[in-house]
Amino acid sequence: QMQLVESGGGVVQPGLSLRLSCAASGFLFDTYALHWVRQAPGKGLEWVAVVSYDGRTTYYSDPVRGRFTISRDNTQDMLYLQMNNLRPEDTAVYFCATERVRYGSGTFPLDDWGQGTLVVVSS
Amino acid sequence: DIVMTQSPDSLTVSLGERATINCKSSQSVYLSSNNKNYLSWYQQKPGQPPKLLIFWASTRESWVPDRFIGSGSGTDFTLTINTLQAEDVAVYYCHQYHSVPQTFGQGTKVEIK
Repeated sequence: QMQLVESGGGVVQPGLSLRLSCAASGFLFDTYALHWVRQAPGKGLEWVAVVSYDGRTTYYSDPVRGRFTISRDNTQDMLYLQMNNLRPEDTAVYFCATERVRYGSGTFPLDDWGQGTLVVVSS
Repeated sequence: DIVMTQSPDSLTVSLGERATINCKSSQSVYLSSNNKNYLSWYQQKPGQPPKLLIFWASTRESWVPDRFIGSGSGTDFTLTINTLQAEDVAVYYCHQYHSVPQTFGQGTKVEIK
């Protein structure tokens, strides 16, 4: 059974960095593109970034481009989100999610989601 | 970026009645080369991650009851929930995956009257 477990969230001051992780199991990790989606408290869903199945292609939303880096380790079945220069508006639950089909790179629906990890950016 | 706009923001419906949620995209999410609309719907209950309900605008996931119906094409889409059940109380999001960045509607909260 496909499982995604996020970790690494916490409280961090503005301007500092945090790295989120997403541990995957139960599926052929290196054949699926992976996404990060966030949800501010009481708000809607906001897409953040995607990395292709082989890690070669990445895309970002405008609010995080240049500050966040998505990456993956296909030998460890791990997805990461390095978040630098954090801002209060980055406060959210961060979800990792897989695409519904194999070998995608950003243009398929998001099928399986983790439970999320909360990031709070506050002084 | 493609902007997704849902209406209404919230909806109160009696048990057994119909709920209708609309979603409009700022650009077409239809791809003629494969005749598909790159539009999905998600259901999110409190404290849970979103769950994929419908993709390609009208294809239900295997777990979804047939009272959930997705329709529309191009820029205008609808999620219809026939004979609303108590377990359908949730926030529903439309989502386009036609182009990156993928984008979501603001969500529609469905409650029981």
